[in-house]
Amino acid sequence: DTGVSQDPRHKITKRGQNVTFRCDPISEHNRLYWYRQTLGQGPEFLTYFQNEAQLEKSRLLSDRFSAERPKGSFSTLEIQRTEQGDSAMYLCASSLGLGFGYTFGSGTRLTVV
Amino acid sequence: QQQVKQSPQSLIVQKGGISIINCAYENTAFDYFPWYQQFPGKGPALLIAIRPDVSEKKEGRFTISFNKSAKQFSLHIMDSQPGDSATYFCAASLEASGSRLTFGEGTQLTVNP
Repeated sequence: DTGVSQDPRHKITKRGQNVTFRCDPISEHNRLYWYRQTLGQGPEFLTYFQNEAQLEKSRLLSDRFSAERPKGSFSTLEIQRTEQGDSAMYLCASSLGLGFGYTFGSGTRLTVV
Repeated sequence: QQQVKQSPQSLIVQKGGISIINCAYENTAFDYFPWYQQFPGKGPALLIAIRPDVSEKKEGRFTISFNKSAKQFSLHIMDSQPGDSATYFCAASLEASGSRLTFGEGTQLTVNP
C-alpha cells in the first residue's frame, strides 16, 4: 500500500494531556498538509510543509499545536495541554506539488475527555 | 470567514438519477477547484478537479460545470448508484499560496436502490 499512512487511527486522552500524531506521506511527495475536521464540517487547513520547511500555519493553530517534518519525510503533529475543543479528526495529506491533487490519509480521530 | 459555500447539505436520489451539488466561492484569485468524496471513517478522496480556463470537465459519470462570472461550480453525478452514497466536498485553492484547500461544508448524498 503506497497511500498516506496515519498513526494512531484513534486516540482518547484526558484533558490537559499531550498527544502526538504521525503521518507518513507517499514517498515521492514533497508537500505535506495537516487538516482538522469536525463532525459535519469540511476539513480546515492547519499547516503545510514543502520538504522539511514549514511554509504556512493557520491562525487555527494555537501555540499548543506544533508540527515537524524532519528530513522531509514523515511528519508529527503534537497538541499540548489538550482541551475538549481539540476533539476532531486530524487529517494528513501529501502531494507532488503545484498542479497535483492531494492524497489524504484516513486520519486520526482524537477524543478529549 | 466562509469562502466556499456548498448546497444542499443533504441530497437523496434514486438509483439511476442525476445528483447535483453546487458551490459558490468568493475569492476570484482561486485557480483550482477539486471535488472530494468521503466515506465514513476514511479521508477525503479526490474525484475530479477543474481550472477556471475551462467551463466543463467530465470523467466517467462525474462532470464539473464551472461558471467563472458567477463564481459558481457544480458536480453532476450521472446514473447515480448506491455505492455513490457518501459525503461530497467542494474545495478551492490558490496554487501560488501552496495549494492549501478551502473546503465547503459538505453534502451528504444518499442513493436509494
